[in-house]
Amino acid sequence: EAQVTQNPRYLITVTGKKLTVTCSQNMNHEYMSWYRQDPGLGLRQIYYSMNVEVTDKGDVPEGYKVSRKEKRNFPLILESPSPNQTSLYFCASSSRGRANTEAFFGQGTRLTVV
Amino acid sequence: AQSVTQLDSQVPVFEEAPVELRCNYSSSVSVYLFWYVQYPNQGLQLLLKYLSGSTLVKSINGFEAEFNKSQTSFHLRKPSVHISDTAEYFCAVSDLVSNFGNEKLTFGTGTRLTIIP
Repeated sequence: EAQVTQNPRYLITVTGKKLTVTCSQNMNHEYMSWYRQDPGLGLRQIYYSMNVEVTDKGDVPEGYKVSRKEKRNFPLILESPSPNQTSLYFCASSSRGRANTEAFFGQGTRLTVV
Repeated sequence: AQSVTQLDSQVPVFEEAPVELRCNYSSSVSVYLFWYVQYPNQGLQLLLKYLSGSTLVKSINGFEAEFNKSQTSFHLRKPSVHISDTAEYFCAVSDLVSNFGNEKLTFGTGTRLTIIP
């Protein structure tokens, strides 16, 4: 089954404690991205990757890092989480050239930073 | 730059009544248009999309949307809603010309559709 898998689904952490949210896709997609969803703001892109070892900032990259060492994985790293990063996070993947027509989303990770 | 406006943050509708969820966009280039649905505690699923051709597009569960270029709108409609349609609906756009390779989606703020029995 084609899918994008995020882990964990739920996470509560304390300010400053480094964390990683994993994202994996089994569709051999080149393009992957991370979004955060906040009430009244919709989804905003954090980072994206066009292929292995190629990543770039989206609209709200501050406080986040990503890496793309393998095609299937695109982890989101919060080196020093703060309460304003409490949000619902989604990973998405798609084929290059079709990213803007057929995006597949993970189930989401609800992060709370206290 | 593109933007998407969903004016209605919440829409309550009685079961079996019709519904329209409004979406307007702005862009300096031609765009693709989408509606995504998010059921409670789930990820986003593509509901329908307009890429080209017929301006009226339909989903398998009875929703339809019409692309209106002159009004820059892509409103979502359903003639008779069911309890199972309770969800949040997001309108999104993407431009036909990739922005330096970032083929991203720009989302609206979402409309929460609540079906009243």
